[in-house]
Amino acid sequence: DTGVSQDPRHKITKRGQNVTFRCDPISEHNRLYWYRQTLGQGPEFLTYFQNEAQLEKSRLLSDRFSAERPKGSFSTLEIQRTEQGDSAMYLCASSSRRGGETQYFGPGTRLLVL
Amino acid sequence: TQLLEQSPQFLSIQEGENLTVYCNSSSVFSSLQWYRQEPGEGPVLLVTVVTGGEVKKLKRLTFQFGDARKDSSLHITAAQPGDTGLYLCAGAGSARQLTFGSGTQLTVLP
Repeated sequence: DTGVSQDPRHKITKRGQNVTFRCDPISEHNRLYWYRQTLGQGPEFLTYFQNEAQLEKSRLLSDRFSAERPKGSFSTLEIQRTEQGDSAMYLCASSSRRGGETQYFGPGTRLLVL
Repeated sequence: TQLLEQSPQFLSIQEGENLTVYCNSSSVFSSLQWYRQEPGEGPVLLVTVVTGGEVKKLKRLTFQFGDARKDSSLHITAAQPGDTGLYLCAGAGSARQLTFGSGTQLTVLP
């Protein structure tokens, strides 16, 4: 099992640009989660998918954020018109019922908006 | 809103010392996880505790889940420099997402 992978690991962008991150969960994990972590804080929940269905979204997820999981496997998180306040580590996790719903995290994508 | 408070926020100790990190909430959780995170990396799962009063040991690390499933502690015996990192507790409630504490940054000095 290769674990959760995320791409890119780092992204530097200018304010106003759009960015897209990708997450590949552990194979056969049907649940996929996105979290955001700022410096000195624990991760905060953004959204979660069960298979291809997006079942829950945090109020942290503004209209500029959109997440998809079109085939129930990998997921993408897009941020439109980035702002400096979007600078953070974006973490993806996956889980399965067989695994007791324990969430396993990827290495994260660190975003810096200039 | 479920909140988890971790203490202490920062801890710097000498190699060989013992330490305890606390994770407290006013909410009941169905399970609680402890993760360790290195700079620039994602959290790595250490343990999941499910039953109130449960105690789990992982080498020099001892994890305890409170009887009421609202709090937890992590005790490290004879800390080593390799234990340095950010320790996060995370509770799972009725919703699928995890609620994280703000973390305890542990530094073990050689």
